[in-house]
Amino acid sequence: AQKVTQAQTEISVVEKEDVTLDCVYETRDTTYYLFWYKQPPSGELVFLIRRNSFDEQNEISGRYSWNFQKSTSSFNFTITASQVVDSAVYFCALSEERLRAAGNKLTFGGGTRVLVKP
Amino acid sequence: EPEVTQTPSHQVTQMGQEVILRCVPISNHLYFYWYRQILGQKVEFLVSFYNNEISEKSEIFDDQFSVERPDGSNFTLKIRSTKLEDSAMYFCASRGTSGRAENEQFFGPGTRLTVL
Repeated sequence: AQKVTQAQTEISVVEKEDVTLDCVYETRDTTYYLFWYKQPPSGELVFLIRRNSFDEQNEISGRYSWNFQKSTSSFNFTITASQVVDSAVYFCALSEERLRAAGNKLTFGGGTRVLVKP
Repeated sequence: EPEVTQTPSHQVTQMGQEVILRCVPISNHLYFYWYRQILGQKVEFLVSFYNNEISEKSEIFDDQFSVERPDGSNFTLKIRSTKLEDSAMYFCASRGTSGRAENEQFFGPGTRLTVL
């Protein structure tokens, strides 16, 4: 069974500080995908990144960066120089590789609420 | 860019009533999903649908729930007799079979269901 744990329920920072969100996952599959989604107060789920289990390269996209470490089953997310607009709930999710017919459901972590104060 | 749409954005119903939540997936996608998010909690998988049948369902998806793809474009979730605990945001998602869409689910904006 797959499981995603986001130990931090809420993080509060002052604008321009960096913030790192932790994500630890469990899976028996060797092929899987990891995701981060942002959920702003308006409620929609905004896709941020997908990473497959064979690609351990870290990625940077603007102020966002991700650190994938298979050895510790972690996929952490850092926001550099945070802004008020970054205030949201962030979810880490896992999808296991399956045969085409099986669906590849997403298993989400509990989410981390980030509050960026001006 | 194509997107998943959901209607209505907010539905209020009385306990015991039937509701149908509607989704229009991205047109060439073949996999469809429903997820639920109770207020303040995590997003939970309900069901996946492929080739006109359910491919996987969670424990939450009991006999009160059903899904259908009635006309080749809509994908619906029906709750037969709503309970207070069905109050949640319901997200539809779809996935394609090639390129970026092969391993990424595209989410709709959600329908907020309130059961009174």
